[in-house]
Amino acid sequence: DQQVKQNSPSLSVQEGRISILNCDYTNSMFDYFLWYKKYPAEGPTFLISISSIKDKNEDGRFTVFLNKSAKHLSLHIVPSQPGDSAVYFCAATEGYGGSQGNLIFGKGTKLSVKP
Amino acid sequence: GAGVSQTPSNKVTEKGKYVELRCDPISGHTALYWYRQSLGQGPEFLIYFQGTGAADDSGLPNDRFFAVRPEGSVSTLKIQRTERGDSAVYLCASSSPPGGGGTDTQYFGPGTRLTVL
Repeated sequence: DQQVKQNSPSLSVQEGRISILNCDYTNSMFDYFLWYKKYPAEGPTFLISISSIKDKNEDGRFTVFLNKSAKHLSLHIVPSQPGDSAVYFCAATEGYGGSQGNLIFGKGTKLSVKP
Repeated sequence: GAGVSQTPSNKVTEKGKYVELRCDPISGHTALYWYRQSLGQGPEFLIYFQGTGAADDSGLPNDRFFAVRPEGSVSTLKIQRTERGDSAVYLCASSSPPGGGGTDTQYFGPGTRLTVL
């Protein structure tokens, strides 16, 4: 039973437009959420995170929104660039503020940004 | 500074053999994690070390899998009697807990691709 779900395996966006990647979770004990980006043959790279006490966190072109009541989060990339083409993983964990322990990952969404 | 490094980058072995995968965490990171990523899946947690001790090994699939971190830095994941289903990319991550001035964010290495023939 997947606790973190990314229902879109792939997404294609035109350069300069907004990319929106979605993630749903089922475990109400999760209180810290992260997005990782992964290029082929490399490990996941941390992108941005959000704790459950917030509903939005922004870092440059990347913004993560958290809707706790819907158990849903999304990553917005504006404007999208061809270099953003990668697989994006949503991850969640309990125990923010202490040791994170293990991350629970979704299956990923492959983003393609076309010039 | 240097990131998490993992060796070897690729490992091909035969069914039934023993393998060791190594992880060098970021210097000063006290927490170390092992994950396994199968094709088309996200990384799945295996084991987590805080210092030298395994704080959580609930993700190890069976007793063929074992990991050590004897000096609180380098870790080795050991797989006995490998099976074809063990084929995956094995990822290592490290973090520095917030209490030590870190952010607790897990930083991943490039992984070891294990193929069991």
